[in-house]
Amino acid sequence: EAGVAQSPRYKIIEKRQSVAFWCNPISGHATLYWYQQILGQGPKLLIQFQNNGVVDDSQLPKDRFSAERLKGVDSTLKIQPAKLEDSAVYLCASSFSYEQYFGPGTRLTVT
Amino acid sequence: AQSVTQLDSQVPVFEEAPVELRCNYSSSVSVYLFWYVQYPNQGLQLLLKYLSGSTLVKGINGFEAEFNKSQTSFHLRKPSVHISDTAEYFCAVSDAGASGGSYIPTFGRGTSLIVHP
Repeated sequence: EAGVAQSPRYKIIEKRQSVAFWCNPISGHATLYWYQQILGQGPKLLIQFQNNGVVDDSQLPKDRFSAERLKGVDSTLKIQPAKLEDSAVYLCASSFSYEQYFGPGTRLTVT
Repeated sequence: AQSVTQLDSQVPVFEEAPVELRCNYSSSVSVYLFWYVQYPNQGLQLLLKYLSGSTLVKGINGFEAEFNKSQTSFHLRKPSVHISDTAEYFCAVSDAGASGGSYIPTFGRGTSLIVHP
């Protein structure tokens, strides 16, 4: 079975620019997660979707981050405008039950 | 709310030696526990999980972990490591009573396992 797909794998932007990340979960997985992983730390949940509804976005900086999951399948995470502290790996994961399956991540560098 | 503490940020070890990566958690409810491995430039991969039943859990790549409720620990062990085990290891905990849609694990900061030849 195909895994969780993410693109792009790497992105370098200047501060105040905008960026978008895309995630395609494993087919049939209703739950989709976006995590931010700063170097040397564990993943921090940004937002969780169940189908196309938001379950938890309490740690999403809503003044600059947004995410959507139209049609309950793939998802997009956007940052606008980016700050230096947004430099991190953005991981997407999907699950059917308790086990999460992670994509390879997008490494964002903000200069 | 749960929290996870991984006591060692880095564990150096020689090839073929045993290793233990420590994980402690705090929670006011019953928990599910997980260990994930992350190789460079890759996403996280599940090594093993404890949901219920036997407290000794065996996972992939020869790893095992033991759930100790009284000590709120879930330490990861391997009797003989290989160079290829060099990676970042994350312990995670979630609420066992959550339904599938609201299952949200909390991750530790990670332990970097460095295997030397």
